[in-house]
Amino acid sequence: NAGVTQTPKFQVLKTGQSMTLQCAQDMNHNSMYWYRQDPGMGLRLIYYSASEGTTDKGEVPNGYNVSRLNKREFSLRLESAAPSQTSVYFCASSELVITEAFFGQGTRLTVV
Amino acid sequence: TQLLEQSPQFLSIQEGENLTVYCNSSSVFSSLQWYRQEPGEGPVLLVTVVTGGEVKKLKRLTFQFGDARKDSSLHITAAQPGDTGLYLCAGESGNQFYFGTGTSLTVIP
Repeated sequence: NAGVTQTPKFQVLKTGQSMTLQCAQDMNHNSMYWYRQDPGMGLRLIYYSASEGTTDKGEVPNGYNVSRLNKREFSLRLESAAPSQTSVYFCASSELVITEAFFGQGTRLTVV
Repeated sequence: TQLLEQSPQFLSIQEGENLTVYCNSSSVFSSLQWYRQEPGEGPVLLVTVVTGGEVKKLKRLTFQFGDARKDSSLHITAAQPGDTGLYLCAGESGNQFYFGTGTSLTVIP
């Protein structure tokens, strides 16, 4: 049982490059999330999708876009990467918005 | 806006000692969750508390939700090396969960 799968696990980008982080869940969950984790800041919500076909901004959406491709998949795109976006990114899913969230293993992104 | 502050930020203790981690806010939350995260992994849910004053026990871990639903604590009795990790609280408000700043616990054998 894979749970939440994120790709890639590691990525180095140059400033201004673009990339998409992929996330897929196999638990038939309705809600999916993208967080970033920085030292001393905990986890901060970037975007979430309460259900298939909807997306909403979280605490720190600037510089990011998302797509809920279908019920299983939720991608995060950086159009023009900046060093401030160096972070560990986590995708998560839950049955409903306020229930237990299951996290992927994270993507460590470095922007140079 | 960081709504939840955890203390202490770092904690290093000997095996067998007791400890308490605090999660404080000026905001009221509908529910509060505690997660543990190990290096290189995503957080894993430990418990959800919903009612003000609620106490939940999970083996050697005791979780309490404040009466006013603004704060919570996690108490670990007789800590073991397997308890080492980053402990995160997360409060529910407006259909979102806001995570705390985290407490990094190291239990030395």
